[in-house]
Amino acid sequence: GAVVSQHPSRVICKSGTSVKIECRSLDFQATTMFWYRQFPKQSLMLMATSNEGSKATYEQGVEKDKFLINHASLTLSTLTVTSAHPEDSSFYICSATQGANTEAFFGQGTRLTVV
Amino acid sequence: EDQVTQSPEALRLQEGESSSLNCSYTVSGLRGLFWYRQDPGKGPEFLFTLYSAGEEKEKERLKATLTKKESFLHITAPKPEDSATYLCAVLRGGNQFYFGTGTSLTVIP
Repeated sequence: GAVVSQHPSRVICKSGTSVKIECRSLDFQATTMFWYRQFPKQSLMLMATSNEGSKATYEQGVEKDKFLINHASLTLSTLTVTSAHPEDSSFYICSATQGANTEAFFGQGTRLTVV
Repeated sequence: EDQVTQSPEALRLQEGESSSLNCSYTVSGLRGLFWYRQDPGKGPEFLFTLYSAGEEKEKERLKATLTKKESFLHITAPKPEDSATYLCAVLRGGNQFYFGTGTSLTVIP
């Protein structure tokens, strides 16, 4: 299957700082990328959907000014957690689909800890 | 309101003891139902896609089936390496995936 790479896998930051997470499709063009967060022992919650070159569509309750998503190319999307607080600590996962292909490939996830 | 519910929440099986996991859904405009396996601290790994009621897919000890309201993931003679959390997800229009709560499977040697 296709490979989606997420970086970094773990990050610890101080409260009030911003953190950027990258999601890359390594061997295919990702027309749509998705960002999820997952709390311990809970399922993935969709945060936003982004299409290349367009503004991201955020799910209800997700602050677009806090979670900045950029999908500037067909192989890269970034999620920036701005002014991070301890409650933003979570496991963030991206996935990508190609064109009309419905199969989604997932990154390895990023464990964010805000101290 | 769209919903995806998985049961049981947790399942412990003896090695070789077959069982089924359930994923029930109420989604408008369903385009597909997906099963994923997730190991701790990792992203989900794709297992199956089912598109229409009556469809079945198999892979090694796993078999997924789909009806109009639910999907089952059957595990035949499981091994300890099958221990993981199994997630189902439904695909709606706009290529949006919505995940169930997952079933944590533990297979005891």
